[in-house]
Amino acid sequence: EPEVTQTPSHQVTQMGQEVILRCVPISNHLYFYWYRQILGQKVEFLVSFYNNEISEKSEIFDDQFSVERPDGSNFTLKIRSTKLEDSAMYFCASSDPSGAEAFFGQGTRLTVV
Amino acid sequence: AQSVTQPDIHITVSEGASLELRCNYSYGATPYLFWYVQSPGQGLQLLLKYFSGDTLVQGIKGFEAEFKRSQSSFNLRKPSVHWSDAAEYFCAVGAPGNTGFQKLVFGTGTRLLVSP
Repeated sequence: EPEVTQTPSHQVTQMGQEVILRCVPISNHLYFYWYRQILGQKVEFLVSFYNNEISEKSEIFDDQFSVERPDGSNFTLKIRSTKLEDSAMYFCASSDPSGAEAFFGQGTRLTVV
Repeated sequence: AQSVTQPDIHITVSEGASLELRCNYSYGATPYLFWYVQSPGQGLQLLLKYFSGDTLVQGIKGFEAEFKRSQSSFNLRKPSVHWSDAAEYFCAVGAPGNTGFQKLVFGTGTRLLVSP
């Protein structure tokens, strides 16, 4: 069964460093998303991406965040200068052309020290 | 704005007993509704979804949910809980995005504990 895959599963980085979280969405999907879950809190929408551009972003998604689809298969989230409060589980998701249902990856746990 | 309320932070159920997890949503139109389960350290797995039609929907692992428009609810049920059901359960409503996709708004989750 097709699935969304994310790498790495866990990343530890020092405050102020740049990180790139990687995702391979399901191959025929057209909508891509990043969500974030701070430990013990609910899952929050960060950004959606369609037709090679950001479709919508939340207020969390400020200038330190960026997304890119560098080739036909990968979808990345870059955090330019990490802060302690960026520590969270980051989920990538993708939906088929209907856009109705999102399929989630297993997540990348980011720890900023 | 769309919102989802899961009033129970923790629920403990004996193995073999029935389960109902509550979810209330706020949304101006007919919602797309979802239940996801998250086991410790794992990702989000879709249990079931409601888009339209029959208000009682069946999902995986023996779960079902009923959409009640009059109560703005989408409660999750299972007739007999197994120890492996212990996990965090999230209700979500799909809010239409700018280009037709569904942005998910999640509730705060309910942690299910299963006692022997």
